[in-house]
Amino acid sequence: QTVVTQEPSFSVSPGGTVTLTCGLSSGSVSTSYYPSWYQQTPGQAPRTLIYSTNTHSSGVPDRFSGSILGNKAALTITGAQADDESDYYCVLYMGSGIYVFGTGTKVNVL
Amino acid sequence: QVQLQESGPGLVKPSQTLSLTCTVSGGSISSGSYFWSWIRQPAGKGLEWIGRIYTSGSTNYNPSLKSRVTISVDTSKNQFSLKLSSVTAADTAVYYCASEVLYSFDIWGQGTMVTVSS
Repeated sequence: QTVVTQEPSFSVSPGGTVTLTCGLSSGSVSTSYYPSWYQQTPGQAPRTLIYSTNTHSSGVPDRFSGSILGNKAALTITGAQADDESDYYCVLYMGSGIYVFGTGTKVNVL
Repeated sequence: QVQLQESGPGLVKPSQTLSLTCTVSGGSISSGSYFWSWIRQPAGKGLEWIGRIYTSGSTNYNPSLKSRVTISVDTSKNQFSLKLSSVTAADTAVYYCASEVLYSFDIWGQGTMVTVSS
């Protein structure tokens, strides 16, 4: 069973930069996995931030950016704001119509 | 603006079948580029993709749930549905429906809580 791993939690200061990663239990993440990123606040449905590695969803601020760093997908928040405090999930397309969500990262802004 | 809304029983007995429907408004479920997915989230835990359907009826399922899941579509009602059989307490979760395009889930329903309990 494929596991998509994310850091459990990160803390960032207001105005700071944080990079979250999304890796595979076996193998490297590439653009062929079409990594996407979602932000979720408590009690709310997830919101799409980034798709196809680095494409912004409509209305998403430029301080969110996606990339491939080494063998993982990455989401970087530059100039973190208080309302960026959320859970963040990546999703990888595994082929054959199958998706796997990452384990999620809780970001604290303090 | 397309919107999705889940509906169905909030309480299901163990060993029975969970049935949910997602109604698509503001657009046609038959729009060529879209798949339609179900995703769930147990309280305090992460998201899990359950499966998806195309309007042709073609489906893909999470291998870990495949033996218990059926997703269907009714284009005349602009709806798609989820059936999960032989449920246990582990299936208690918020269930979301979502549209999928360009390998991402771009529009989400608000979610509906389903509890499995006798």
